[in-house]
Amino acid sequence: QKEVEQDPGPLSVPEGAIVSLNCTYSNSAFQYFMWYRQYSRKGPELLMYTYSSGNKEDGRFTAQVDKSSKYISLFIRDSQPSDSATYLCAMSAYNTDKLIFGTGTRLQVFP
Amino acid sequence: SAVISQKPSRDICQRGTSLTIQCQVDSQVTMMFWYRQQPGQSLTLIATANQGSEATYESGFVIDKFPISRPNLTFSTLTVSNMSPEDSSIYLCSVGVMTGELFFGEGSRLTVL
Repeated sequence: QKEVEQDPGPLSVPEGAIVSLNCTYSNSAFQYFMWYRQYSRKGPELLMYTYSSGNKEDGRFTAQVDKSSKYISLFIRDSQPSDSATYLCAMSAYNTDKLIFGTGTRLQVFP
Repeated sequence: SAVISQKPSRDICQRGTSLTIQCQVDSQVTMMFWYRQQPGQSLTLIATANQGSEATYESGFVIDKFPISRPNLTFSTLTVSNMSPEDSSIYLCSVGVMTGELFFGEGSRLTVL
C-alpha cells in the first residue's frame, strides 16, 4: 500500500464549478500537509500549507485536513480555465525534511 | 519564497553517458533536495544535499549513480551517471525554508536514447 493515495484523474469540469481534490494517507505521523499545482512542463508551485487538522482558506482555495480519517482535501471555488493543471498533495511528519507526494490529479476546467 | 534556476531545462542523451544538472538559488538555503518525477508516478526524493556534509540518499538511489555536489549555500549539482533509457525523467531541485515549505525549480527533462 502506498503511503499517500491520490486519484490521477483526469477530472474535467466546466468553468465556475466547485472542484474537490482528495488524498488519503496511511502514516498517522504526518503533521504537515501541502498542495502543489503543476502546470505542464513547469515545476510544482506551492498552493496551500497546513499543519495538523482543520481548514485553511486562501482566496478561491480551501484546504481541509481530517487526521482522524487520514484524509485531506483541496476545494477550488469558481474554477477557471487557468486552474487547469496537475494538483499534487504532499505531507511530512514532524521533525523531518522528507515530503511524501501523491501521484497528482490532473484537472481540466473547460470554458 | 525562493527563486530556483535549473540548467539544462531539457536534454537528449545517449545511453552510457553522464549529465550534470545545475541548481542555483537566489538566496542562501540550508536544505536542498533532488527529486525525480517519472510519468504517472509520484515525485520521488533522490537525496538531500546540505552544505558542508555528504548528501543523504534515499533507498534505491546510490552515490555512484547520482553523485551530488553542494559547494555553497546557493548552488548544487546532480549528475546522472552511465545513463540508460530508464533514467528518462524530470529531475527537480527544491529548497526548504524555515517555515517548512518546499519550493521547486522548473525541472530538467531528460531523455535517454
